Formats: sequence, structure tokens, C-alpha cells
Amino acid sequence: QVQLVQSGAEVKKPGASVKVSCKASGYTFTGYYMHWVRQAPGQGLEWMGWINPNSGGTNFAQKFQGRVTMTWDTSISTAYMELSRLRSDDTAVYYCARGGTGYYWLDIDYWGQGTLVTVSS
Amino acid sequence: QSVLTQPPSASGTPGQRVTISCSGSRSNIGNNYVYWYQQLPGTAPKLLIYRDNQRPSGVPGRFSGSKSGTSPSLAISGLRSEDEADYYCAAWDDSLSRWVFGGGTKLTVL
Repeated sequence: QVQLVQSGAEVKKPGASVKVSCKASGYTFTGYYMHWVRQAPGQGLEWMGWINPNSGGTNFAQKFQGRVTMTWDTSISTAYMELSRLRSDDTAVYYCARGGTGYYWLDIDYWGQGTLVTVSS
Repeated sequence: QSVLTQPPSASGTPGQRVTISCSGSRSNIGNNYVYWYQQLPGTAPKLLIYRDNQRPSGVPGRFSGSKSGTSPSLAISGLRSEDEADYYCAAWDDSLSRWVFGGGTKLTVL
């Protein structure tokens, strides 16, 4: 069965960076896009970007361009999301979510359990 | 301010049928598939409906999706207490080149 297991909670100071990992299992990692979505406390879902582990392509929401890096290691089926220059309003639960494949590349189906990132001085 | 518009709350009694609406534009819902996610308290979102009206395996038939123009909706029939959750609609937006979500609808089972 498809599983996405994320790294544990983080506490960071303003201006620092955070790197969240997402280990995939139960499917061919390079066959599907991987998305990152965040959710601030009590708020809705906000899409950050996607990676295509097969082609190497990435696409980030304009809001995060210049601050977010998305990488992956196909040898261990793991995706990473690094957010730099953290601010207090970056405090949120960060999710990885499996994207689609082929014609249905826009699907988003399975989600990781989420990683709480708290930014506080 | 979310790109897709949902009512902030909805409610119903056990056994009732409830509908949750979502509103967008041609660049998102008009041109692309709609997806619905259920988020139980303290958990990750779960895919409920994909490509407008398709149900993943394991999702009960009580949940159904439909779309007319740029106004999709999620219907839940035979409401149960375990359906109490937040529900989000989502779609790709061609103009913004990003995924957009509704603000979420909190469903209360009275």
C-alpha cells in the first residue's frame, strides 16, 4: 500500500532554514509527481509546489519562489522540502502528497502524516 | 482569501443528506478536474473524490461529487457521526499555475 512517512516536528528561530523529508513506499517513486502543501494553525491548505522525480522538473508557487528548495533521492525514494529565511507566519504543518502520473499528472491522492514546523524566537 | 469559495460551515443530523458547494472560475474548475478532501480533526487530508466525480476504493458510496460549470459540489448521504470533519475542494489553476484550494467547510453532525 502507498505510504508517505515524514520526518518529525521541528522548532526553528526566525531567519533559519528547515528541511522536511518524506519517504515513499508502496509504489514506484519516479513514476509520480510529489507535492508539498502546508496548513497554518486553524487555517486551510496552501499548495507550495511539486517535483517530478522522473524528469527533474519542479514548479513552485510564486509566493515561495526564492525561499523553497525541493529535492529528492531516488535511491531511497525520499523527497525533501527546504524552506529558508523562516518567519513566524511559516509556522504550519507541512505535508507531502503524491501527485499523478501520465495524462492524470494533476491528481493528488495520498498524503503524508504531516510535519509541524514551529518558528519562534 | 481562498481562490475557491466554500461555505465555512454545514450541518446535518444522522441519516440526512448534506451538500457542500464550491465555486471557482474558468481557469480552475472550468478547465480542470475538481478534487475533494476530507480532513478529520488532527489528521492529514484524505482523498474523497477525484476527477470531479470518481471515488477512490475504500470511500463509501455515500460520498458523491458533481460539477456543473464552475460550481462543483460534494454530497454526503446517510450522514454519520464519523463524517464530522473539514472538507476541501481543490483544482489546478491554469492562470496562476498552481493548485488552489477552497477555504474548507466544517461539517457538524448534530
